[in-house]
Parts: sequence; C-alpha cells; structure tokens
Amino acid sequence: NAGVMQNPRHLVRRRGQEARLRCSPMKGHSHVYWYRQLPEEGLKFMVYLQKENIIDESGMPKERFSAEFPKEGPSILRIQQVVRGDSAAYFCASFQDNTEAFFGQGTRLTVV
Amino acid sequence: GDSVTQMEGPVTLSEEAFLTINCTYTATGYPSLFWYVQYPGEGLQLLLKATKADDKGSNKGFEATYRKETTSFHLEKGSVQVSDSAVYFCALSRPDSNYQLIWGAGTKLIIKP
Repeated sequence: NAGVMQNPRHLVRRRGQEARLRCSPMKGHSHVYWYRQLPEEGLKFMVYLQKENIIDESGMPKERFSAEFPKEGPSILRIQQVVRGDSAAYFCASFQDNTEAFFGQGTRLTVV
Repeated sequence: GDSVTQMEGPVTLSEEAFLTINCTYTATGYPSLFWYVQYPGEGLQLLLKATKADDKGSNKGFEATYRKETTSFHLEKGSVQVSDSAVYFCALSRPDSNYQLIWGAGTKLIIKP
C-alpha cells in the first residue's frame, strides 16, 4: 500500500508562472489536507478537502491559490502568478475518519 | 479557539541525555493528541499518539502521557541518540471539527555526539 505521494518533489517557477502541486492520498483515504511550511517555521493549515468538496479553506490566501480533489485522480493545489513569497514546502496529508494523518514528502517550491 | 503551545527550540543535548519537550494545549471537548517528527528534508511522520486522558503513547523509546488536568502532552526519552535530531511537532485533533489537526510551532532537537 503506497503512502501519500506528492509530485513533483522540487519545483522551480519564475515569477508570474503557475505552479501545480499534486497529491495522491493513501488508498481508501478520502480526506486531504494541504499545509505550507516556510523555512525554519511550523506548518500552516491551508485547506481541507474531501472528494469533490472543499470543507475548509480558511487558511488559503483569497487570491491566486486554489485547490481541488476530484472524484478521480489526485488532489491539486494550484498557485497562479507565483511570487517569491510563495517559495515554501507544501505538504499534503491524507486520512480517513478517525485514523492518523499520513504525510507526503512535500513539494519544495522555489520562485526565482 | 483550539491551540497547541510547544517549548521553543532549538534544544541541544549530548548523546544519551534525557529529553523533555513540553507541549500544552487548549481545546474544548476531548481531543486526540499527537507527536509528529520531521527529519531534514522529509515530510512528517507520526511518532506517537494518545486518544484519551491518561493514555500513554510510546514509540522508538519516546513516550508522552495525555494529562487532562494539566492539559499537557510532554514528549520524553530517556537516552537520546544523534539520529533523533529532527523537528518535533505536537498536534491535536478534535472529532467534531472534521479531525482538523492543530499544530504547535515545532521544536528543533539537536543531539551532539
């Protein structure tokens, strides 16, 4: 049973480009969280999704950021028109009901 | 709202020293409590958890006891190794808030040989 898969592991984008981060949850998990981690800092909640639904996006910036978790396929975190301040590690975690959360290895986004 | 407070790091210890990383929480109801560990360049891994008062979670020589009276979940290890160097995160989740995890800021642990 593969763990949570995130890709790419490293992503470099120029300012103004779009960044698309993918997260495939563990098999059987229908809940996904996205977190952002700045260097030397803790995890900041961004969004909580279930299949085809956004449950809580209170941690997501209002502009340029969007997330989805379609019925088929991975969850996608999309950042449009990236800026240098978007450079961070983005982690996703999946879980099912009252089980523990399993984390992917993260996508490290660098905006140049 | 719910919150988790961890001791600030970095914590620097010599190999074989005793480790305590403090964690206290604020939450209504009956949260579950977790310690996650993040090794350099990696994602987070669950280290241990406790789901009700007085439960003790343990793994890899680490322990933490869910103390409702002091709202604490301190992480301890009797003899640390260089390989324990990592960032440790305390977290809680509440079933009635969609199991959303509330995180502490993390404590960086450095073990010197």
